[in-house]
Amino acid sequence: EQQVQQSPASLVLQEAENAELQCSFSIFTNQVQWFYQRPGGRLVSLLYNPSGTKQSGRLTSTTVIKERRSSLHISSSQITDSGTYLCAMEQSNYQLIWGSGTKLIIKP
Amino acid sequence: EAGVTQSPRYAVLQEGQAVSFWCDPISGHDTLYWYQQPRDQGPQLLVYFRDEAVIDNSQLPSDRFSAVRPKGTNSTLKIQSAKQGDTATYLCASKDWGGASTLYFGAGTRLSVL
Repeated sequence: EQQVQQSPASLVLQEAENAELQCSFSIFTNQVQWFYQRPGGRLVSLLYNPSGTKQSGRLTSTTVIKERRSSLHISSSQITDSGTYLCAMEQSNYQLIWGSGTKLIIKP
Repeated sequence: EAGVTQSPRYAVLQEGQAVSFWCDPISGHDTLYWYQQPRDQGPQLLVYFRDEAVIDNSQLPSDRFSAVRPKGTNSTLKIQSAKQGDTATYLCASKDWGGASTLYFGAGTRLSVL
């Protein structure tokens, strides 16, 4: 059983639409992190969100630890937002457990 | 600020061949991770260090994989006898020890074993 599950696996939107990505986890966690990876590019940390809501530009992450879920909202999507979004759960030993990612495609 | 540097970027091997991957973390970061990322999957931890000490290598296939970080700075991951199932991107990441600190990744080494 996968400890961190992401949905949807892939998402295709038109430019300017909003994207909602979900992450659910079956393990105890201290922190939730969201990462972004462009095809062939390096993983980049987007948001570090232990609980509640955290915003960075057009990105908003909401984490509810008790319900073991986190979401990433991208408002007014742009073509350059295309790529894979991964969530990762930090355990008490500071190790990260990763989801398989959501592949986002933004079309013009 | 220089990022995490990995080399080579690509490697193509025949089964049974050996390969080494090299990582230079961000200066001052005491924690270094090696991950294996199969295509279309999330990263899977292989081993991580705090300074020169191995903290966890329980996911490292010890019969063929080895990793060192002798001076607590650069690190090398080696595969002794590659198998087709090792085909993946190998990622190095670094951070300050402890939680609530950002993890920085290198660009990765894409390995293909034929």
